Amino acid sequence: EAGVAQSPRYKIIEKRQSVAFWCNPISGHATLYWYQQILGQGPKLLIQFQNNGVVDDSQLPKDRFSAERLKGVDSTLKIQPAKLEDSAVYLCASSLIWRGAIDTQYFGPGTRLTVL
Amino acid sequence: AQSVTQLDSQVPVFEEAPVELRCNYSSSVSVYLFWYVQYPNQGLQLLLKYLSGSTLVKGINGFEAEFNKSQTSFHLRKPSVHISDTAEYFCAVRKNRDDKNIFGKGTRLHILP
Repeated sequence: EAGVAQSPRYKIIEKRQSVAFWCNPISGHATLYWYQQILGQGPKLLIQFQNNGVVDDSQLPKDRFSAERLKGVDSTLKIQPAKLEDSAVYLCASSLIWRGAIDTQYFGPGTRLTVL
Repeated sequence: AQSVTQLDSQVPVFEEAPVELRCNYSSSVSVYLFWYVQYPNQGLQLLLKYLSGSTLVKGINGFEAEFNKSQTSFHLRKPSVHISDTAEYFCAVRKNRDDKNIFGKGTRLHILP
């Protein structure tokens, strides 16, 4: 079974530029998560999708971050414009189900973003 | 609000020695607890989870953790570590089934030869 795929693995941009990350979850997984992991900290949930609907985006900085999950499969996370403090690893995860169960989240390898 | 404290940012331990990674949480209600491992340049992988029932939880790779409600702790243990256990370990708490995971800052485990 293929795992969660993310691209690119690394990205270096200058502040005020835009960047987009892509995630392909495990086939059949209804729930998709985007996390931000700043160096020295644990992952912080940015947004959670159930199929193609958003169920939690309370910690997403909506003035500069956006995410979509078209057709309930792949997802993209965009930052526009980027700030220095956005330097982090962006992790995508997926799980089979969400409501009514504690389901295992499977994580991708992450995209390491450096903002100069 | 919930929070998770991992008291040690780094833990060095000799190969084949036992190890304990500490995790404390703050919550006024019952919670679900998790330990994840992150190997270098990889995503997180679930080691074990406590949902209910027995307070001693066994996970993959020989790890186990004990839920202590009175001390609000969920420490991770392994009786004999291997060089392959070199990784960062994250403790996480969730208030209810539909809530998000709150992660600690992580503990980096260094295995010394």
